[in-house]
Parts: sequence; C-alpha cells; structure tokens
Amino acid sequence: KAGVTQTPRYLIKTRGQQVTLSCSPISGHRSVSWYQQTPGQGLQFLFEYFSETQRNKGNFPGRFSGRQFSNSRSEMNVSTLELGDSALYLCASSLQEGNTIYFGEGSWLTVV
Amino acid sequence: GESVGLHLPTLSVQEGDNSIINCAYSNSASDYFIWYKQESGKGPQFIIDIRSNMDKRQGQRVTVLLNKTVKHLSLQIAATQPGDSAVYFCAESNAGKSTFGDGTTLTVKP
Repeated sequence: KAGVTQTPRYLIKTRGQQVTLSCSPISGHRSVSWYQQTPGQGLQFLFEYFSETQRNKGNFPGRFSGRQFSNSRSEMNVSTLELGDSALYLCASSLQEGNTIYFGEGSWLTVV
Repeated sequence: GESVGLHLPTLSVQEGDNSIINCAYSNSASDYFIWYKQESGKGPQFIIDIRSNMDKRQGQRVTVLLNKTVKHLSLQIAATQPGDSAVYFCAESNAGKSTFGDGTTLTVKP
C-alpha cells in the first residue's frame, strides 16, 4: 500500500509569490492534516481536513489555506510568501480523526 | 494550554545499549499517544502508540510506557543500533488534534 505522497519535494520561491503543495493520502484514509516544521519551532499544526471539511486549524495567518477534494487528496496554499515561510511542510493522513497519523516525506520550501 | 515536551534535546548512547527517551505532557484529557522517528531529510515515521487505558505497550525492540499520574511518556529502545540514530518525537492526541514535542536527537556511537 502506497504511503502518503507529497509533491513537489523541493521548491524555491521568491518573496511575494504564492505556492501550492499537494498531498495524496494513504488509500482509504479520509483525514488529512498539514504541519510546518522548522528547526526553531518544531512541528506546528496548520490544519486538518476530513471529508472535504476543515475540522481543526492551527495558529497561522490567513495566508495559509488548504482544501480537500472528494478523493481525499489535499492541497495547501501559501500566498504572499515571506522568508520565514521557509520550512518543511508535512502532510499526514489517517483513517479518521483520532486514529494514528502517517506522514509523507514532506515538501521543502525555500523562500528567497 | 496544551504542551508536549521531551526532557532532553539530545541523547547519546553506545551501540548495543538500551535507550530511554522521555516525554512529559500537560493535557490530562489526552487519550492517545504516539512516538515518531524522523531521520534526516525524511518525514516522521510512526514507531508505536498507546491509548490512555494502557500503561505499557511493546513492539519490536521498542516499548512505550505511560504514566498518567505524572503525565509522563517514555520510549525504550532495546539493543540500540546505528540505524536508530534519528530525532524522536512524542505526540499526544485529544479530540482528534495532535500536538508534538520538540524532539530528542538520538545518536548511537559504534
């Protein structure tokens, strides 16, 4: 069974641009969550989706948004990129809320 | 508020020794706990979990202990190997929302 797949793996953007990251959950998993990981802040929860609905949201500005499609695939978007947005963005999926979450390999975003 | 922390940011052990990585949590309502391993350049990998109705769970070479009285979680790795070198995170889950600790970097010396 394929794991959580994230694309792209690496990308470089300039300040002010926007970026869209994609996540395909494990087959059958309906819950998808997103995290930002930086050396100084550790793993920070962004948001969680279940059946196309955002169920939980972390403390990030409105520039960070996401959505989930009917096939459970998810995208997150960051607009007006800032240097501080440089991080590893991790997607995770689970069968449903409260179950074990499994992570993808992440998307490394560098903002220059 | 909720917080999950690990007692030590780094831990160095000799190959073959047992490793113990500790984690303290503050939300007594948390009902599910997970340990993850993250190798350099990779995403976190599930190791083992435990629900709040248990105090011990064993896997292959790993054991998780949960002490709800003092809100403490530990991961024990038996016969630590060089491949165990990684960052280890604990996570607590409450109402479907997971909160992660900062991580302990385990280094295994040959």
